[in-house]
Amino acid sequence: KAGVTQTPRYLIKTRGQQVTLSCSPISGHRSVSWYQQTPGQGLQFLFEYFSETQRNKGNFPGRFSGRQFSNSRSEMNVSTLELGDSALYLCASSSEDNTEAFFGQGTRLTVV
Amino acid sequence: AQSVTQLDSQVPVFEEAPVELRCNYSSSVSVYLFWYVQYPNQGLQLLLKYLSGSTLVESINGFEAEFNKSQTSFHLRKPSVHISDTAEYFCAVSERDGGYQKVTFGIGTKLQVIP
Repeated sequence: KAGVTQTPRYLIKTRGQQVTLSCSPISGHRSVSWYQQTPGQGLQFLFEYFSETQRNKGNFPGRFSGRQFSNSRSEMNVSTLELGDSALYLCASSSEDNTEAFFGQGTRLTVV
Repeated sequence: AQSVTQLDSQVPVFEEAPVELRCNYSSSVSVYLFWYVQYPNQGLQLLLKYLSGSTLVESINGFEAEFNKSQTSFHLRKPSVHISDTAEYFCAVSERDGGYQKVTFGIGTKLQVIP
């Protein structure tokens, strides 16, 4: 079984630009969650999608958005990038019973 | 609403010494409990989990954690650490909320093993 795949692994963007990150979950998993990880704030929950619907959301500004497609693949978008958005963005997928989350290796976003 | 508290942000320990990483949670319902490990530039990997049954759970690399319901704790222990255990460790709790299992992670504890 293939694991969770996040693309790209590394990304450098300029302030004010927008970015889209992609996550392909484990086959059969319908839940996809996104997290932001920074040295100062630790692991922070962004949002969770299940069957194309956002069912849980963290405390991030509206510049952070996401969506999920019918094949459970998910994308997150950050608009009007700020320097503080530089972080490791992690995606996790899980089955419906949520007895384990499987993480991708993350996308390292650097905003300059 | 659930929350997870990892009391130590960093724990330095000498090689072959014992270690305990503390985790407390708050929840009003029954929970699942997890410890995840993250090595540098990697995603998180499941280390061990408690779903039901025996309150003491073990991982294949010598870590163990004990679910203590009265103290709402799930501390992670290892009797003798190796250099390779240097990583960040995350405690997580999952509870039923609004018809589905909702997972909350702690902020993480960095374990630094000193040679």
